[in-house]
Amino acid sequence: DQQVKQNSPSLSVQEGRISILNCDYTNSMFDYFLWYKKYPAEGPTFLISISSIKDKNEDGRFTVFLNKSAKHLSLHIVPSQPGDSAVYFCAASELFSSGSEKLVFGKGTKLTVNP
Amino acid sequence: EAGVTQFPSHSVIEKGQTVTLRCDPISGHDNLYWYRRVMGKEIKFLLHFVKESKQDESGMPNNRFLAERTGGTYSTLKVQPAELEDSGVYFCASSRDRENTEAFFGQGTRLTVV
Repeated sequence: DQQVKQNSPSLSVQEGRISILNCDYTNSMFDYFLWYKKYPAEGPTFLISISSIKDKNEDGRFTVFLNKSAKHLSLHIVPSQPGDSAVYFCAASELFSSGSEKLVFGKGTKLTVNP
Repeated sequence: EAGVTQFPSHSVIEKGQTVTLRCDPISGHDNLYWYRRVMGKEIKFLLHFVKESKQDESGMPNNRFLAERTGGTYSTLKVQPAELEDSGVYFCASSRDRENTEAFFGQGTRLTVV
């Protein structure tokens, strides 16, 4: 039972264009969402996050949009650069009353930005 | 500031053997997490330490996996005996507190059980 879904395993865009990576979730208890970028042989690195009380968060070329009613979030990269080529993981966080927190990851989308 | 470090980076062992993975979190980070990514699948949560205490170990697959965090510093994840399906990349992450939810990940340990 996948709680966080990234339905596109790969995406290819031209340098300078917009990259849009999508993520859907099923658990309405998630209250924080994160995007991680992963290069080969490295661990995921944090990219950008958004709280469930917001619908948009922007950081330079990266913008994350959250649509709570649709349980959908997306990551926009504008303009895309070849160095953005990596696997992007969507993650959702749920905080439990015990104080523990769990991150649930999607399977990832491999982005290729062509020069 | 040193990042999260994991050792070894790669490990190839035979089925039935024991392997111990180590994670050194960022200094001062009370929260330490273990995750596993099996080939082609999502990164799955294994367990969460707050200092030396196991806060949540609901993701541990079975009792062949044992995690410890001595003195609230580094953590080890032991697999004994290893099975073929244990192969994957094991990531460790740490974060300071919940208000700083952005966890920092290590480079991962690629475990191959043959």
